[in-house]
Amino acid sequence: AQKITQTQPGMFVQEKEAVTLDCTYDTSDPSYGLFWYKQPSSGEMIFLIYQGSYDQQNATEGRYSLNFQKARKSANLVISASQLGDSAMYFCAMREGSAMTTDSWGKLQFGAGTQVVVTP
Amino acid sequence: DSGVTQTPKHLITATGQRVTLRCSPRSGDLSVYWYQQSLDQGLQFLIQYYNGEERAKGNILERFSAQQFPDLHSELNLSSLELGDSALYFCASSLRGAGLTDTQYFGPGTRLTVL
Repeated sequence: AQKITQTQPGMFVQEKEAVTLDCTYDTSDPSYGLFWYKQPSSGEMIFLIYQGSYDQQNATEGRYSLNFQKARKSANLVISASQLGDSAMYFCAMREGSAMTTDSWGKLQFGAGTQVVVTP
Repeated sequence: DSGVTQTPKHLITATGQRVTLRCSPRSGDLSVYWYQQSLDQGLQFLIQYYNGEERAKGNILERFSAQQFPDLHSELNLSSLELGDSALYFCASSLRGAGLTDTQYFGPGTRLTVL
């Protein structure tokens, strides 16, 4: 079963506007971490922001913030004041923490990604 | 720059061949992960090593193998290559290998093309 769902395959956003990228997740584990990565056209994966399941506050990192709604199992990424350099593929990923079997030790499970194009 | 290095950047080879992808983790990181990114499968976890020992296995084919050496660099060996193995292969590293806050930092990837 798909653990991470990103329903928006692509979106356009104007420069200086904010954009919200959706991510919903599925886990029965009470301990988990959620990560967002950015993949520009050059191909590398860049870590953006992290939210833990026990964190009381939404994570923020510069222009990136996470709208974490635990009951809804969603962890949407908000990029404020978009810049042309924000054009990229964005991936949501989850790591389940307490299931310390060899099947899940440390691995990240990724969503399909959302392609963001920032226009002038 | 994440501090994770991967070589080579590009690799073009023929079906049936064997290749080796190399990864050096960030300084201080003990765990290395390999992921495969393809158009049809997305980003898939292959395998994880921590301080030289295998810790977790994902959808890694039997034709693929990996190891982590005492100096903590890692190699991913792909053999009997098929057209479907063409993909971007990422190495990532992290400090502890486990724990919710243990962030994985990715290398630039090796793009493998099998002809």
